Amino acid sequence: AQKVTQAQTEISVVEKEDVTLDCVYETRDTTYYLFWYKQPPSGELVFLIRRNSFDEQNEISGRYSWNFQKSTSSFNFTITASQVVDSAVYFCALSRWLTGKSTFGDGTTLTVKP
Amino acid sequence: DAGITQSPRYKITETGRQVTLMCHQTWSHSYMFWYRQDLGHGLRLIYYSAAADITDKGEVPDGYVVSRSKTENFPLTLESATRSQTSVYFCATATGEFETQYFGPGTRLLVL
Repeated sequence: AQKVTQAQTEISVVEKEDVTLDCVYETRDTTYYLFWYKQPPSGELVFLIRRNSFDEQNEISGRYSWNFQKSTSSFNFTITASQVVDSAVYFCALSRWLTGKSTFGDGTTLTVKP
Repeated sequence: DAGITQSPRYKITETGRQVTLMCHQTWSHSYMFWYRQDLGHGLRLIYYSAAADITDKGEVPDGYVVSRSKTENFPLTLESATRSQTSVYFCATATGEFETQYFGPGTRLLVL
């Protein structure tokens, strides 16, 4: 069985602060994919990033960066210089090889205050 | 280009009634998925489909039925709705089994 844990239920920061959202996963598979999705207050789900288990390079996209560490089974997400528009629920997900089945964490609600 | 649509967007029904939620995509993606999102929680996979006429159970399939006679449609039927099925239902598509999933706007279902 696979599992995704987002231990931080809620995080509140003030605009321009940096914030890191943690994601820890469990799987017996050697090949898998990890994802981050954003769910703003409007309710839709927006894809942010996909990373396969063989690629441990960190990735930066504008103010967003991701740190994948296979040794600790973590795939953390950092927002630099947060903005009010970053306020949303963020989900980490793990997708199994060859089945397409994804397991989602329970999400972290990020509130960025002006 | 509508991409992925779900209908209805909101539905109120009563316990015991049959309800069908529709999902339609214009991308011809092979994979389609149904998730439910309960208040304060992440998504749980109900059923998924790798192609037309190929479906498989997810994490929480009990009480649900799916079919996929055409690539573009993936309806989800609650055979006899229960209050525990009150949730937001998301449909998603993907080009491959472990590729990025693109989500529909969701259907909010309330079972009284």
